[in-house]
Amino acid sequence: EPEVTQTPSHQVTQMGQEVILRCVPISNHLYFYWYRQILGQKVEFLVSFYNNEISEKSEIFDDQFSVERPDGSNFTLKIRSTKLEDSAMYFCASSDRLATNIQYFGAGTRLSVL
Amino acid sequence: KQEVTQIPAALSVPEGENLVLNCSFTDSAIYNLQWFRQDPGKGLTSLLLIQSSQREQTSGRLNASLDKSSGRSTLYIAASQPGDSATYLCAVRPQGGSEKLVFGKGTKLTVNP
Repeated sequence: EPEVTQTPSHQVTQMGQEVILRCVPISNHLYFYWYRQILGQKVEFLVSFYNNEISEKSEIFDDQFSVERPDGSNFTLKIRSTKLEDSAMYFCASSDRLATNIQYFGAGTRLSVL
Repeated sequence: KQEVTQIPAALSVPEGENLVLNCSFTDSAIYNLQWFRQDPGKGLTSLLLIQSSQREQTSGRLNASLDKSSGRSTLYIAASQPGDSATYLCAVRPQGGSEKLVFGKGTKLTVNP
């Protein structure tokens, strides 16, 4: 069964460093999303991406964050200068939207900012 | 602003019991509602999606209902098994063109053998 793949599974970084989280969405999907879940809290929407541009973003998604689809398969989330409060599980999701509207999630990347 | 609440936060039941998980949302203007399962340290697995025009969806031992006007959904699990132990999340997609899902905090279910 097709699945969303995220790498790495765990990323440890120092405060102020840049990180790139990678995702390979399901191959025929056109809509891509990033969410995050701080430990013990709700899953929160960050950004959605369609047709090579951001279609929607939340208040959390400030200038420190950016997304990119550098080639036909990868979808990345970059955090320019990490803060302690960026420590969370980051989930990538994809959807074909027109057919089922179901968002399929990856296993997540746990980001630890020290 | 849409808020999603799930009650109870945790539930422990003996194997074989039928159970109901509850989800409520403050704004009835939703496009759809999705139930997920989350295992510890893992991603979210989609269980059921109910469109706003539907009243329920079934998959195996799972049945999800939606009462949009009252802002409620329930997930019914029949004949629970230890393998059902996980956190169950409810998420709504608001109407109006938004792509985002708004999540509840989840119900942590433990099914004891």
